[in-house]
Amino acid sequence: SQQGEEDPQALSIQEGENATMNCSYKTSINNLQWYRQNSGRGLVHLILIRSNEREKHSGRLRVTLDTSKKSSSLLITASRAADTASYFCATPRSYNTDKLIFGTGTRLQVFP
Amino acid sequence: DGGITQSPKYLFRKEGQNVTLSCEQNLNHDAMYWYRQDPGQGLRLIYYSQIVNDFQKGDIAEGYSVSREKKESFPLTVTSAQKNPTAFYLCASHRTNTEAFFGQGTRLTVV
Repeated sequence: SQQGEEDPQALSIQEGENATMNCSYKTSINNLQWYRQNSGRGLVHLILIRSNEREKHSGRLRVTLDTSKKSSSLLITASRAADTASYFCATPRSYNTDKLIFGTGTRLQVFP
Repeated sequence: DGGITQSPKYLFRKEGQNVTLSCEQNLNHDAMYWYRQDPGQGLRLIYYSQIVNDFQKGDIAEGYSVSREKKESFPLTVTSAQKNPTAFYLCASHRTNTEAFFGQGTRLTVV
């Protein structure tokens, strides 16, 4: 079963615009992670946010976590064509496990 | 450089044939995982191992087998019992409550 569900499934924007992706999950978690996947490649870790954190930044990336709503968002500011990829959220399957469960991803297309 | 190496990048399997996908890590991680990804889909867990000589089935283990004889290595065998093996296979490892590191994947095609 999928715990993390990303929304939207696909997103197309112009360079310079901001891109926002959302993730919902079902169980209590101790962290939530975002990953990026370029076509035909492995996943690359972007940000890990812990359950006691509400917001985290890394360069042009901003992640928020709302544990009361069991949701997270990933904001990419001033997007570039090189940001074109699929983005996945991942959460531990339960509070005391390391096994991650991934959503189906958001496919982001950034046009020059 | 530390990381995870998967090989081969592309693999072709004939009907009824077993094939083995290699995964090696030099990150000194205890836990290693195998995922399957179908086009436009998320990752589904096949097998995982949290310690040498021990491994557990994931959500879609039927038709697959693994071994974990060394901490660095976690090979996946796709057996003839897996009726629809064409997919992208990803290996990962991580420490407790930290990010996962992924290999570059193996694309398996049945011919």
